[in-house]
Amino acid sequence: NAGVTQTPKFQVLKTGQSMTLQCAQDMNHNSMYWYRQDPGMGLRLIYYSASEGTTDKGEVPNGYNVSRLNKREFSLRLESAAPSQTSVYFCASSERREVRTDTQYFGPGTRLTVL
Amino acid sequence: SQQGEEDPQALSIQEGENATMNCSYKTSINNLQWYRQNSGRGLVHLILIRSNEREKHSGRLRVTLDTSKKSSSLLITASRAADTASYFCATVHYGGSQGNLIFGKGTKLSVKP
Repeated sequence: NAGVTQTPKFQVLKTGQSMTLQCAQDMNHNSMYWYRQDPGMGLRLIYYSASEGTTDKGEVPNGYNVSRLNKREFSLRLESAAPSQTSVYFCASSERREVRTDTQYFGPGTRLTVL
Repeated sequence: SQQGEEDPQALSIQEGENATMNCSYKTSINNLQWYRQNSGRGLVHLILIRSNEREKHSGRLRVTLDTSKKSSSLLITASRAADTASYFCATVHYGGSQGNLIFGKGTKLSVKP
């Protein structure tokens, strides 16, 4: 039982390049999330998928796209990377059956640098 | 922004001492959660307290919630070097955030052996 896995662990891109961050969970969770974490900041929600087949914008969606490929997998795509997207990206999942008791499980993160 | 604020930003204590960190928020919550992040790792859920609860315990952790002051505190008793980490509060609000977590900026705790 691996929990939430993310690939790659590290990535360096040049400005304008594109890439996809992959996330998978094996807990049969309904909901999945993508966050970014910048120095001195908490986590900020980029996009989320409350259930398979749905995706919604979070607090900072500009410059990103997502795909909920199936119940297990949720990918984040940077179409044209910018230095402002240098950050650590975390994927998370939760059951989301009842909001008042829902807790999230996090992956180990992807450290992305855009030059 | 509904983002919570932790206080202090950083805390350094000796092993065996208690550590207290605080979280304040701006608008009514459904629940408040605390997460721990070890350096270079993902976040781990510690404890959830609902808006109608005032205190909750889990092992050496004690969380209190004062909805009239819109604040919460996390107490770690008899701290250990392994407690060294960043601690984040996260709130779930009614309305606009669709039940998603809003994270604070965190308190960085250092426990010296």
